[in-house]
Parts: sequence; structure tokens; C-alpha cells
Amino acid sequence: NAGVTQTPKFQVLKTGQSMTLQCAQDMNHEYMSWYRQDPGMGLRLIHYSVGAGITDQGEVPNGYNVSRSTTEDFPLRLLSAAPSQTSVYFCASSILAGQETQYFGPGTRLLVL
Amino acid sequence: GQQVMQIPQYQHVQEGEDFTTYCNSSTTLSNIQWYKQRPGGHPVFLIQLVKSGEVKKQKRLTFQFGEAKKNSSLHITATQTTDVGTYFCAGRASGYALNFGKGTSLLVTP
Repeated sequence: NAGVTQTPKFQVLKTGQSMTLQCAQDMNHEYMSWYRQDPGMGLRLIHYSVGAGITDQGEVPNGYNVSRSTTEDFPLRLLSAAPSQTSVYFCASSILAGQETQYFGPGTRLLVL
Repeated sequence: GQQVMQIPQYQHVQEGEDFTTYCNSSTTLSNIQWYKQRPGGHPVFLIQLVKSGEVKKQKRLTFQFGEAKKNSSLHITATQTTDVGTYFCAGRASGYALNFGKGTSLLVTP
């Protein structure tokens, strides 16, 4: 199993550009989530999904969209990037929602100029 | 909303000294998890606590869940340089969201 994979590893965007951060898992996990990590702020939940077709907002959802068309994939979309979205983004998955071990991907480092 | 507070923010110890990080929630938690993140890496699951007053041990690491299920602690005995990293607690009150504390960064000098 590859576990949780994220692409790209690094990305530089200009303000106003859009992009999609990809996340995939091959463990047949129902629960997937996106976090952003900023210095001194810990991990903040952006969006999460408890299964295909079901998504919900976390603590900091503004400026981000998600969809879950398959169990395996959970892309995160930035519609109009802002410098405040410069961060490290982690995708995570678990068998069930909130009750089981979360497996994290390697992260995507995003810089918005 | 649910707040998970973690202290201290930083801890610098000499190798062989003990280390403790504390986690407090504003609401009763259904479970709490602990993760470790090495510098430049991603969070890695350590353990989950579910029961009131639960204590679990992993070698030199001891995890506790408070009786009221609002606080938790991680204690490392006789730290080693391999313990360096940031330790996060993450709690779930209700619903599906798992909320992380800001973490405690541990530096161990030989």
C-alpha cells in the first residue's frame, strides 16, 4: 500500500491564481480530512469527509473547496489564492470518522506571492 | 467551538531528563489521540485514549486521560535525542471533526 499520497510536494502561486491539491489513499478509508499547519498554530482542520459524496467544514474552511466523488480521492481547491494561504497542507485518512488512527500524507508546501 | 489547549509550547531538556506535555479541552471529549511530528515530517499517530482515567504506556512514554475526559498528558521518562519533535494532542468532542492542540516542541540536547 502507498498509504496517503499528496501532490504536488511544493507549489508557488501568485495571488489570485487557482489550483488543486491532490490527495489519494489506497486503504479504503471512509474518513478523509485536510489540515493546514502554520508556525505556532498547530494543525487546523479545513474540511473533512466521512464518505464519498459527503463533505463538511472544519475550523478554517474559507477560501477552500472540496469534493469527494470517490472513496480514494479528496482534492482541495483554492479558487483564488491569497498570501494568507501560504502554509503546509496535510491530508489525512482513517477507517472511520474520528475514532481511529489518522494516517497523514507527506504534505504540500504552498507559497502564495 | 471546541478548544484544545496544549502546554508548554516549547521544552528544552538535557538527555536523560523527563518531559511532560499537557492537553486541556473546553468540552468533554469522547476520545483523545496523540501524534508526534519530526522536524520536516508529517504527524504520526502514537496512541488513542477513550476511557475516563485511562493510562497507557509505550516503553518510556506514558499517556493519561483525565477522569472528567477533559484533559490528558504525555510523559516521557529519560528522554533521548530520538524523542526530538513536536507532540500534538487531538480531541474529538462530538461529530466527526478531530481538533488538534498547537503542539509542544521538544528539544533534547546530549
